[in-house]
Amino acid sequence: EPEVTQTPSHQVTQMGQEVILRCVPISNHLYFYWYRQILGQKVEFLVSFYNNEISEKSEIFDDQFSVERPDGSNFTLKIRSTKLEDSAMYFCASSEGLAGGPRKTQYFGPGTRLLVL
Amino acid sequence: KQEVTQIPAALSVPEGENLVLNCSFTDSAIYNLQWFRQDPGKGLTSLLLIQSSQREQTSGRLNASLDKSSGRSTLYIAASQPGDSATYLCAVRPQGGSEKLVFGKGTKLTVNP
Repeated sequence: EPEVTQTPSHQVTQMGQEVILRCVPISNHLYFYWYRQILGQKVEFLVSFYNNEISEKSEIFDDQFSVERPDGSNFTLKIRSTKLEDSAMYFCASSEGLAGGPRKTQYFGPGTRLLVL
Repeated sequence: KQEVTQIPAALSVPEGENLVLNCSFTDSAIYNLQWFRQDPGKGLTSLLLIQSSQREQTSGRLNASLDKSSGRSTLYIAASQPGDSATYLCAVRPQGGSEKLVFGKGTKLTVNP
Protein backbone atom coordinates (compact mmCIF):
# COMPACT_ATOMS: atom_id res chain seq x y z
CA GLU A 1 0.00 0.00 0.00
CA PRO A 2 1.42 3.44 -0.91
CA GLU A 3 2.58 5.51 2.02
CA VAL A 4 4.11 8.85 2.87
CA THR A 5 7.76 8.61 3.84
CA GLN A 6 9.88 11.11 5.78
CA THR A 7 13.59 11.54 6.37
CA PRO A 8 15.37 11.75 8.69
CA SER A 9 13.43 10.03 11.46
CA HIS A 10 15.38 12.00 14.07
CA GLN A 11 17.41 15.19 13.84
CA VAL A 12 19.36 17.02 16.52
CA THR A 13 20.55 20.53 15.76
CA GLN A 14 21.98 23.57 17.50
CA MET A 15 19.87 26.67 17.99
CA GLY A 16 20.28 29.05 15.06
CA GLN A 17 21.10 26.32 12.55
CA GLU A 18 19.08 25.61 9.43
CA VAL A 19 17.33 22.30 9.05
CA ILE A 20 15.58 20.70 6.09
CA LEU A 21 13.00 18.01 6.66
CA ARG A 22 12.16 15.82 3.72
CA CYS A 23 9.02 14.03 2.67
CA VAL A 24 7.95 11.87 -0.24
CA PRO A 25 4.16 12.10 -0.58
CA ILE A 26 2.02 9.39 -2.14
CA SER A 27 2.70 9.57 -5.86
CA ASN A 28 -0.73 10.47 -7.29
CA HIS A 29 -1.59 12.96 -4.56
CA LEU A 30 -2.02 16.65 -5.31
CA TYR A 31 -2.17 18.30 -1.88
CA PHE A 32 0.70 18.32 0.59
CA TYR A 33 0.83 19.43 4.20
CA TRP A 34 3.14 19.92 7.15
CA TYR A 35 1.96 19.61 10.74
CA ARG A 36 3.87 19.56 13.99
CA GLN A 37 3.28 18.09 17.43
CA ILE A 38 5.13 19.48 20.42
CA LEU A 39 5.56 16.79 23.07
CA GLY A 40 2.31 16.33 24.99
CA GLN A 41 0.42 18.83 22.83
CA LYS A 42 -2.07 18.67 19.98
CA VAL A 43 -1.07 18.15 16.38
CA GLU A 44 -0.99 21.64 14.79
CA PHE A 45 -1.33 22.61 11.15
CA LEU A 46 1.58 24.52 9.63
CA VAL A 47 1.05 24.80 5.89
CA SER A 48 -0.68 23.31 2.86
CA PHE A 49 0.74 23.26 -0.66
CA TYR A 50 -1.03 22.76 -3.98
CA ASN A 51 -0.05 23.37 -7.58
CA ASN A 52 3.46 24.43 -6.58
CA GLU A 53 2.41 27.13 -4.18
CA ILE A 54 1.31 27.61 -0.60
CA SER A 55 -2.47 27.43 -0.41
CA GLU A 56 -2.82 28.07 3.31
CA LYS A 57 -0.55 28.67 6.30
CA SER A 58 -1.02 29.08 10.03
CA GLU A 59 0.30 31.86 12.24
CA ILE A 60 3.04 29.45 13.33
CA PHE A 61 4.41 29.38 9.78
CA ASP A 62 6.38 32.62 9.91
CA ASP A 63 9.30 33.85 7.81
CA GLN A 64 11.61 31.27 9.40
CA PHE A 65 9.72 28.50 7.62
CA SER A 66 9.57 27.68 3.94
CA VAL A 67 8.38 24.77 1.82
CA GLU A 68 9.44 23.55 -1.55
CA ARG A 69 8.72 20.81 -4.03
CA PRO A 70 12.13 20.65 -5.71
CA ASP A 71 11.23 17.79 -8.05
CA GLY A 72 8.31 15.53 -8.90
CA SER A 73 8.53 13.46 -5.74
CA ASN A 74 10.00 15.37 -2.79
CA PHE A 75 8.39 17.95 -0.54
CA THR A 76 10.58 19.77 1.96
CA LEU A 77 10.17 21.96 5.02
CA LYS A 78 13.04 24.31 5.82
CA ILE A 79 13.52 26.08 9.12
CA ARG A 80 16.10 28.81 8.57
CA SER A 81 17.25 29.58 12.09
CA THR A 82 15.98 27.05 14.58
CA LYS A 83 14.79 28.02 18.06
CA LEU A 84 14.43 25.87 21.15
CA GLU A 85 10.65 26.01 20.76
CA ASP A 86 10.87 24.44 17.30
CA SER A 87 11.59 21.10 19.00
CA ALA A 88 8.70 18.87 17.99
CA MET A 89 7.63 15.97 15.83
CA TYR A 90 7.01 17.20 12.29
CA PHE A 91 4.54 15.30 10.16
CA CYS A 92 4.13 15.46 6.41
CA ALA A 93 0.78 14.51 4.91
CA SER A 94 -0.74 14.26 1.47
CA SER A 95 -4.18 13.85 -0.04
CA GLU A 96 -5.57 13.22 -3.52
CA GLY A 97 -8.50 14.72 -5.34
CA LEU A 98 -9.64 18.19 -6.22
CA ALA A 99 -10.76 20.78 -3.69
CA GLY A 100 -14.23 19.89 -2.52
CA GLY A 101 -13.93 16.37 -3.84
CA PRO A 102 -14.68 13.27 -1.77
CA ARG A 103 -11.19 11.78 -1.75
CA LYS A 104 -9.77 14.09 0.84
CA THR A 105 -8.41 11.71 3.43
CA GLN A 106 -5.05 13.03 4.60
CA TYR A 107 -2.38 10.36 4.88
CA PHE A 108 0.42 11.06 7.31
CA GLY A 109 4.05 10.06 7.30
CA PRO A 110 5.87 8.62 10.32
CA GLY A 111 7.29 11.98 11.33
CA THR A 112 10.69 13.57 11.95
CA ARG A 113 11.54 14.19 15.58
CA LEU A 114 13.47 17.47 15.73
CA LEU A 115 15.43 18.40 18.83
CA VAL A 116 16.94 21.88 19.03
CA LEU A 117 19.66 22.32 21.65
CA LYS B 1 -12.08 29.53 16.17
CA GLN B 2 -12.66 25.79 15.91
CA GLU B 3 -11.75 23.81 19.03
CA VAL B 4 -11.77 20.01 19.24
CA THR B 5 -12.03 18.24 22.58
CA GLN B 6 -11.68 14.55 23.33
CA ILE B 7 -12.89 12.99 26.55
CA PRO B 8 -11.64 11.02 28.36
CA ALA B 9 -7.94 11.77 28.03
CA ALA B 10 -7.16 8.16 28.95
CA LEU B 11 -9.15 4.95 29.11
CA SER B 12 -8.21 1.49 30.33
CA VAL B 13 -10.40 -1.51 29.56
CA PRO B 14 -10.14 -5.32 29.72
CA GLU B 15 -9.72 -7.25 26.50
CA GLY B 16 -12.97 -8.06 24.73
CA GLU B 17 -14.88 -5.04 25.94
CA ASN B 18 -16.77 -2.78 23.54
CA LEU B 19 -15.90 0.88 24.02
CA VAL B 20 -16.74 4.38 22.82
CA LEU B 21 -14.38 7.31 22.38
CA ASN B 22 -15.84 10.80 22.24
CA CYS B 23 -14.97 13.86 20.21
CA SER B 24 -16.66 17.25 20.29
CA PHE B 25 -16.08 20.35 18.19
CA THR B 26 -17.25 23.91 18.75
CA ASP B 27 -18.16 24.96 15.21
CA SER B 28 -20.54 22.70 13.28
CA ALA B 29 -19.42 24.18 9.94
CA ILE B 30 -17.12 21.33 9.01
CA TYR B 31 -16.38 19.64 5.73
CA ASN B 32 -15.40 16.30 7.21
CA LEU B 33 -14.10 14.56 10.33
CA GLN B 34 -11.26 12.08 10.45
CA TRP B 35 -10.26 9.59 13.15
CA PHE B 36 -6.60 8.60 13.49
CA ARG B 37 -4.59 6.19 15.54
CA GLN B 38 -1.16 7.16 16.88
CA ASP B 39 1.23 4.64 18.39
CA PRO B 40 3.92 5.97 20.80
CA GLY B 41 6.55 7.97 18.95
CA LYS B 42 4.96 7.12 15.61
CA GLY B 43 2.98 8.77 12.88
CA LEU B 44 -0.77 9.00 12.42
CA THR B 45 -2.71 6.20 10.80
CA SER B 46 -6.01 7.23 9.25
CA LEU B 47 -8.84 5.01 10.46
CA LEU B 48 -12.05 6.55 9.14
CA LEU B 49 -13.20 9.70 7.38
CA ILE B 50 -16.80 10.90 7.62
CA GLN B 51 -18.07 13.55 5.24
CA SER B 52 -20.35 16.20 6.78
CA SER B 53 -23.32 14.74 4.89
CA GLN B 54 -22.79 11.28 6.37
CA ARG B 55 -23.95 9.89 9.71
CA GLU B 56 -21.51 7.03 10.12
CA GLN B 57 -18.69 5.02 8.63
CA THR B 58 -17.59 1.48 9.41
CA SER B 59 -14.32 -0.36 8.96
CA GLY B 60 -14.01 -3.80 10.50
CA ARG B 61 -14.48 -3.51 14.27
CA LEU B 62 -14.56 0.28 14.09
CA ASN B 63 -17.64 2.42 13.65
CA ALA B 64 -17.56 6.21 13.66
CA SER B 65 -20.66 8.35 13.91
CA LEU B 66 -21.13 12.05 13.29
CA ASP B 67 -23.80 14.41 14.64
CA LYS B 68 -22.74 17.64 13.00
CA SER B 69 -25.49 19.80 14.43
CA SER B 70 -24.53 18.96 18.00
CA GLY B 71 -20.81 19.01 17.28
CA ARG B 72 -20.12 15.42 18.25
CA SER B 73 -18.54 12.28 16.91
CA THR B 74 -17.97 8.91 18.50
CA LEU B 75 -15.62 6.08 17.64
CA TYR B 76 -16.97 2.70 18.64
CA ILE B 77 -14.49 -0.17 18.95
CA ALA B 78 -16.01 -3.63 19.20
CA ALA B 79 -14.37 -6.58 20.97
CA SER B 80 -11.25 -4.64 21.92
CA GLN B 81 -7.84 -6.31 21.68
CA PRO B 82 -4.47 -5.46 23.27
CA GLY B 83 -3.29 -4.45 19.80
CA ASP B 84 -5.86 -1.64 19.86
CA SER B 85 -3.83 0.10 22.57
CA ALA B 86 -2.83 3.50 21.16
CA THR B 87 -3.84 7.15 21.23
CA TYR B 88 -6.89 7.92 19.12
CA LEU B 89 -7.11 11.38 17.59
CA CYS B 90 -10.10 13.14 16.14
CA ALA B 91 -9.65 15.93 13.59
CA VAL B 92 -12.09 18.16 11.73
CA ARG B 93 -11.66 20.03 8.49
CA PRO B 94 -13.45 23.38 8.74
CA GLN B 95 -15.68 24.60 5.92
CA GLY B 96 -14.81 27.68 3.93
CA GLY B 97 -12.09 26.37 1.67
CA SER B 98 -9.59 25.53 4.40
CA GLU B 99 -7.44 22.47 3.81
CA LYS B 100 -6.17 22.16 7.37
CA LEU B 101 -7.21 19.64 9.96
CA VAL B 102 -7.90 20.83 13.51
CA PHE B 103 -7.00 18.12 16.01
CA GLY B 104 -8.10 17.12 19.46
CA LYS B 105 -5.53 16.09 22.01
CA GLY B 106 -6.54 12.45 21.79
CA THR B 107 -7.69 9.62 24.02
CA LYS B 108 -5.00 7.19 25.17
CA LEU B 109 -6.52 3.72 25.13
CA THR B 110 -5.04 0.76 26.98
CA VAL B 111 -6.57 -2.67 26.45
CA ASN B 112 -5.43 -5.09 29.11
CA PRO B 113 -5.05 -8.81 28.31
